[in-house]
Amino acid sequence: DIQLTQSPSFLSASVGDRVTITCRASQGISTYLAWYQQKPGKVPKLLIYAASTLQSGVPSRFSGSGSGTEFTLTISNLQPEDFATYYCQQLDSYFRTFGQGTKVEIK
Amino acid sequence: EVLLVQSGGGLAQPGRSLRLSCAASGFAFDDYAMHWVRQPPGKGLEWVSGISWNSGSRQYAESVKGRFTISRDNAKNSLYLQMNSLRPEDTAFYYCAKARGGDLAAVGVPFDSWGQGTLVTVSS
Repeated sequence: DIQLTQSPSFLSASVGDRVTITCRASQGISTYLAWYQQKPGKVPKLLIYAASTLQSGVPSRFSGSGSGTEFTLTISNLQPEDFATYYCQQLDSYFRTFGQGTKVEIK
Repeated sequence: EVLLVQSGGGLAQPGRSLRLSCAASGFAFDDYAMHWVRQPPGKGLEWVSGISWNSGSRQYAESVKGRFTISRDNAKNSLYLQMNSLRPEDTAFYYCAKARGGDLAAVGVPFDSWGQGTLVTVSS
């Protein structure tokens, strides 16, 4: 199975900061990667798919990049509503595994 | 508007069974693959199972293979997860999720809509 490792697991940031989360795959997955946001008590929300395509309605301060085994999610100008946990998911195999998550908290 | 409304779940003793349901509306249910994802309280997401639009392909995580069965009834716009031989480690919130495409084997297809989640607790 393809394993995904996110880093960091936790980060503390301030409103207005630029933050970057990394997701590394155990084998190459081209650009078959998605990012989700989950707020406490809420269901996950699709942010980005195909590594860099923004889902409709998602603010442009979110961006994704990468291919192969290394991917990044960047949030520029962090807003209060962005404090949440972010998950990457590989879409290359039948077994749609997720990374372990990165929790973004307010500094 | 896409709507996925879940039911079922609750408390079960180890070794017993539960069935989860997910009623879909607002889209052509029989055109899309569907999945189940679970999340132990306070922990991360784990993909559990997926089924293609016509039930022709079904896949399971190793952790549930042989115990859980995914199915769908396109006439009723509904997705199901039959969970047998439950274990304490199956305790989690379970979410149904709609894939963007119909073929389970299609790569690059994200989950674009999610049910509200239902808690399954396995404990004696």
